Amino acid sequence: QSVLTQPPSVSAAPGQKVTISCSGSASNIGANFVSWYQQLPGTAPKLLIYDNNQRPSGIPDRFSGSKSGTSATLGITGLQAGDEADYYCATKDSGLTIGLFGGGTKVTVL
Amino acid sequence: QVQLVESGGGLVKPGGSLRLSCTASGFSLSDFYMTWIRQAPGKGLEWVSYISNRAGTNFYYADSVKGRFTVSRDYAKNSVFLQMDSLRVDDTAVYYCARDWRNWGHDCWGQGTLVTVST
Repeated sequence: QSVLTQPPSVSAAPGQKVTISCSGSASNIGANFVSWYQQLPGTAPKLLIYDNNQRPSGIPDRFSGSKSGTSATLGITGLQAGDEADYYCATKDSGLTIGLFGGGTKVTVL
Repeated sequence: QVQLVESGGGLVKPGGSLRLSCTASGFSLSDFYMTWIRQAPGKGLEWVSYISNRAGTNFYYADSVKGRFTVSRDYAKNSVFLQMDSLRVDDTAVYYCARDWRNWGHDCWGQGTLVTVST
């Protein structure tokens, strides 16, 4: 059971939008930056969002991040078949000085 | 080109030990915090440990590995290591090292090395 709670799965048709929530607490999401990762089958995770809402170079603007209080959200617009993957949120816990990952959300393109 | 390459995984019996290596190229690991993350078969990502950059001497561990795993670094080899002792079956996973580029944003990951703990 992860400290950061994500829905196990979300799905939508090509071209549509999906959002993935990540719920935490005051000592983790509430006090630290959130990052998001995409993991395609059989590959290492890839950084999509850092500092809550910043995209690294090369990440398309179809991917967006936001944070409010103790929750964060990843949005994917213009859904493509290649977006089918597992998505993880991550942050630190200031009180315990540990790293945290959400349980992961599988995105399916219908 | 910024790259991380892990090595050292394999099959080990419960109670045994392994030492994982993560060698960086294209950057100096002394400038970054470095993190070990694992993923059990069919499961999600789990943070294992991280080590501070040259400016500090901080080491942190997940409760599940505290007292059994030790992280270290060799700046001359531009490498970080994860010494894993008293291995258990539930330590079976692909182990990744990753560069903490900004505020827990890990922008560079190794390819992963599989550790299998089994009789």
